[in-house]
Order: sequence, then structure tokens, then C-alpha cells
Amino acid sequence: RKEVEQDPGPFNVPEGATVAFNCTYSNSASQSFFWYRQDCRKEPKLLMSVYSSGNEDGRFTAQLNRASQYISLLIRDSKLSDSATYLCVVMGYNFNKFYFGSGTKLNVKP
Amino acid sequence: DTGVSQDPRHKITKRGQNVTFRCDPISEHNRLYWYRQTLGQGPEFLTYFQNEAQLEKSRLLSDRFSAERPKGSFSTLEIQRTEQGDSAMYLCASRSTGAPNTEAFFGQGTRLTVV
Repeated sequence: RKEVEQDPGPFNVPEGATVAFNCTYSNSASQSFFWYRQDCRKEPKLLMSVYSSGNEDGRFTAQLNRASQYISLLIRDSKLSDSATYLCVVMGYNFNKFYFGSGTKLNVKP
Repeated sequence: DTGVSQDPRHKITKRGQNVTFRCDPISEHNRLYWYRQTLGQGPEFLTYFQNEAQLEKSRLLSDRFSAERPKGSFSTLEIQRTEQGDSAMYLCASRSTGAPNTEAFFGQGTRLTVV
């Protein structure tokens, strides 16, 4: 079983739509959680960290559900520039290395 | 530019040749990671260093792969006797372990094509 699982998509949404991604992780002792954004043929870049209490950054909201071992990302009022692959990232229980999901592709259309 | 830098950005090599990639992390970051990414997949862990010590190697890292971080600063990843299956993007990342939840910063990657 993979450490982190994501729906690969693609999610095709119109501008202005609200879209949500989930990912699940297998190790209940995992400590830290992140969403990274990756544009085509570029390196991953941090979008936001995910805190136990949930956190919001502008149009983006991240939630963590430790009991069910899933993480979510909500994007409101989608922009064309949000088109990218969103990677769910989990840090191992001893803060050693990061595990990546396969990414969810988002296409925002005019 | 004070980010993570990788060199070269692109490498085309013939099967059987050796290649070496370099990563320069953010200077105050003590932890350095190597990942490999193929099309449509997320990055897969290869190895990581705490300063100059290599603390973990993935089973993906066959004996043809070796990584070093001799002075705890830059790192090199060498692939010997390259195979077509080695074609991928090789990503380097670094982070500080000063706080437990700090994120990793990635370099732009080295795209390897084995022909």
C-alpha cells in the first residue's frame, strides 16, 4: 500500500468554481502535512502547510483529519492560474523524510 | 539567488555511461534529500543526508547509484552504467531541522534522458 494516495484527476472546472481534493495517508504516526503545487516540468513548490486545526490562506483552505487519516485542500473562486498538479505530502513519524502522493491534476477553464 | 540549485538542468546520455548530478542546498539547511520523479507520478524518495551523514537510502537506490555530501554542503548523485529506466527528473531538496514542521525547498531538478 502506498504511503500517500491521491485521486490523479484530472479535475476540469470552470473559472470561479470551488474544487476540493482529498488525500489519504497510511501511517497514523505521521507528523507533518503539506500541499505542494507543481507546474508542468517544474519543481514542486510549497502551497501551504496543513495544521491540525485547519488553516486558510486566501482562497485556499487545508484541513487535516487524523482520525480518518486524510487531508483536504479546498480552492475557492478558481483562477486559470490555479491549473497545476497538487501534491499531497506527508512527513514520516520521526521527521525523517517526505512521502508524496502521485498528485491531482487541476485544469481551470475559461 | 539563495534557493536550491541543481546542475545540470538537462542531461542526455547513452546507455551504459556514468552521470553525476550536483545539488547546492540553501546554505543554512542541514538536511538534504534526493528524489526521483517520472511522468505522472509524485516524487519518490531516494536518499537523504543530515549534514555529511547519509542517514537513509531507499531500496530504489540500486548499487549503481551513489550519493555523497562530503562537507555537509553540496551533494552529488552518481549513476553508473545508466539504463533507459533511469530516465527521470532527479530532484534535490533541503530543509532546516530547527523546527519539526518546516517544509522542504526543491531545486529545479535535473532531467535525465538515457538513449
